[in-house]
Amino acid sequence: GAGVSQSPSNKVTEKGKDVELRCDPISGHTALYWYRQSLGQGLEFLIYFQGNSAPDKSGLPSDRFSAERTGGSVSTLTIQRTQQEDSAVYLCASSQLNQPQHFGDGTRLSIL
Amino acid sequence: AQSVTQPDIHITVSEGASLELRCNYSYGATPYLFWYVQSPGQGLQLLLKYFSGDTLVQGIKGFEAEFKRSQSSFNLRKPSVHWSDAAEYFCAGSGGGADGLTFGKGTHLIIQP
Repeated sequence: GAGVSQSPSNKVTEKGKDVELRCDPISGHTALYWYRQSLGQGLEFLIYFQGNSAPDKSGLPSDRFSAERTGGSVSTLTIQRTQQEDSAVYLCASSQLNQPQHFGDGTRLSIL
Repeated sequence: AQSVTQPDIHITVSEGASLELRCNYSYGATPYLFWYVQSPGQGLQLLLKYFSGDTLVQGIKGFEAEFKRSQSSFNLRKPSVHWSDAAEYFCAGSGGGADGLTFGKGTHLIIQP
């Protein structure tokens, strides 16, 4: 795979359910980022992972949001007890240190 | 606080005309600056980047941008637009290293035939 891969591409769920979004970064990229894109807020940084360092969670909007990165590769963003305001496109990006970020096509999340 | 501002929400230009999209930044030190383009339903594609050095940077698809410290600007230009350039354009900044990006609100580019 040449690029950042995200799954699913679309997710529809009911309010109150938990969702997991997956990101498979470009091989060899040590940094991985999650962003949220919504009509009202634009593109917002959520969290990033750099190598084996503790993640920077400064952008997470609430404690319902969490993310893991296993084995320094694949990452999962989990949203617990989803709310309608969580509806957005969630974008993942990866990079090597001090290099530009490369983005996946995103997961469009719709909360009913 | 760090910020990136794109003053124009929409820009309409005729095919073949020149283009300039504005971007202003506010950072404590000179940031890393980027322009990305997003087509509907797609992720963000990097057009160009500025880290340091030459203030005029060349990117893909015939785009260029000029870093002007005195104006805190990083405007994107193209001498002649094509219909395929219609998309959303985002300016972004970072403090460097592995910092997350701070994005502007985006400029929606419309190309008239």
